[in-house]
This record gives sequence, structure tokens and C-alpha cells, in this order.
Amino acid sequence: DAGVIQSPRHEVTEMGQEVTLRCKPISGHDYLFWYRQTMMRGLELLIYFNNNVPIDDSGMPEDRFSAKMPNASFSTLKIQPSEPRDSAVYFCASSLGLAGQETQYFGPGTRLLVL
Amino acid sequence: SQQGEEDPQALSIQEGENATMNCSYKTSINNLQWYRQNSGRGLVHLILIRSNEREKHSGRLRVTLDTSKKSSSLLITASRAADTASYFCATLTGGGNKLTFGTGTQLKVEL
Repeated sequence: DAGVIQSPRHEVTEMGQEVTLRCKPISGHDYLFWYRQTMMRGLELLIYFNNNVPIDDSGMPEDRFSAKMPNASFSTLKIQPSEPRDSAVYFCASSLGLAGQETQYFGPGTRLLVL
Repeated sequence: SQQGEEDPQALSIQEGENATMNCSYKTSINNLQWYRQNSGRGLVHLILIRSNEREKHSGRLRVTLDTSKKSSSLLITASRAADTASYFCATLTGGGNKLTFGTGTQLKVEL
């Protein structure tokens, strides 16, 4: 298996632009997680899905952020409009089951820079 | 503040030495997990220890958990240059499905 795939790996954009990050989880995994990593705040869970349904989006910073999972093999995280403080590394992870029982497998991340 | 905070923030050792990293947390947990992150890469799961376990081994890794002190330690024995990475503890609390990650320890193993 190729593991969790994320695209793009790097994104540089200007403030106010829309940014879309993509994730393909490991086939057969029922859970998908979006995380954000910054030096100041560390690694934070933004949202997670179970069987394509968003379960907990309490970590989404504000309405500018939205996430979708139209099918079991694809998810997007969208930021519109983007701001410089959104600059971070965004990770997608997937797992077979609950966080306490199954390992989460992380993708390589998307490094976002908003100018 | 972070649920899990690792100590030290940075650690530099020579190849062959042992490396010990500590994690403290604030609230009761169901389990605690350790992850490794190589520079520019995603996190890789290393080991999970449940709240009713005190010690667990996996290869050169040894993890301890002291729930009375709300702390855990990760010991890497006979370190190698390839162990150079950041190490994070993550805790699962309550009945949810959310892992809370600590601030991480940057380990550098020099030849």
C-alpha cells in the first residue's frame, strides 16, 4: 500500500486566496483525521471523519476552514480566504478504528505558506 | 496549554548511548502513545501503552507509564544516527477519538 497520500506537498499562496489540500487515505481505513502543525501550537487535530461523515470539527479554527470527504478514498481541507497565520504543515492521517485501539498512519504533510 | 509536555525539549547524544524522554500530562487518560517525526515527514506510530499497564517494550524501545504522577517515559537503547528525529507523546482522554499531542523532544544522535 502506498500509505496516506497528500497533495500538494508544498503550497505558496497570497493572502486572500483559496487553498485546497487533498488527502487519499489508506484503502479500508474508516477514520480520517486532519491535523495542523505549527511551532507555536504544536500538532492540533482539526477535524475527523468516520465512514466519510464528519464526527468532530471542534478543532477547526474558524469558518474560513472547511473539510469534506465525498467518498472513502478522498478528502479535502479548504481555506477560504487564506491568511498568513494559516501558514503551517497540514497532515492527514487515517486509521482502521478508534484512536485508542488502532494506529493512526500519517501522510507526509502539506507545507503551506501564505504571504 | 498542552495536555502532554515532553522533557527535555532537545537532547543530543552519541551513537550507542541511551536516550530518555519524558512526557507529563494533566488529565486522566485511556492510553498514551509515542510517535516519531523525521524532519519534513509525517508522524510514525511507535508504541501504545494503556492506562492499566506500567511498562511496555518494543525492540529497542521501552515505555513506562506512571498514572499517579501523570507521566510517561520513552527509553531508546543503543541509539543510532537514524534515531535522530522528534518524538511526541499523545494521549487519548475520555470516550472520544481525539489524540492530544505533546510539544515534542528533538533528539539528535551523533556519530
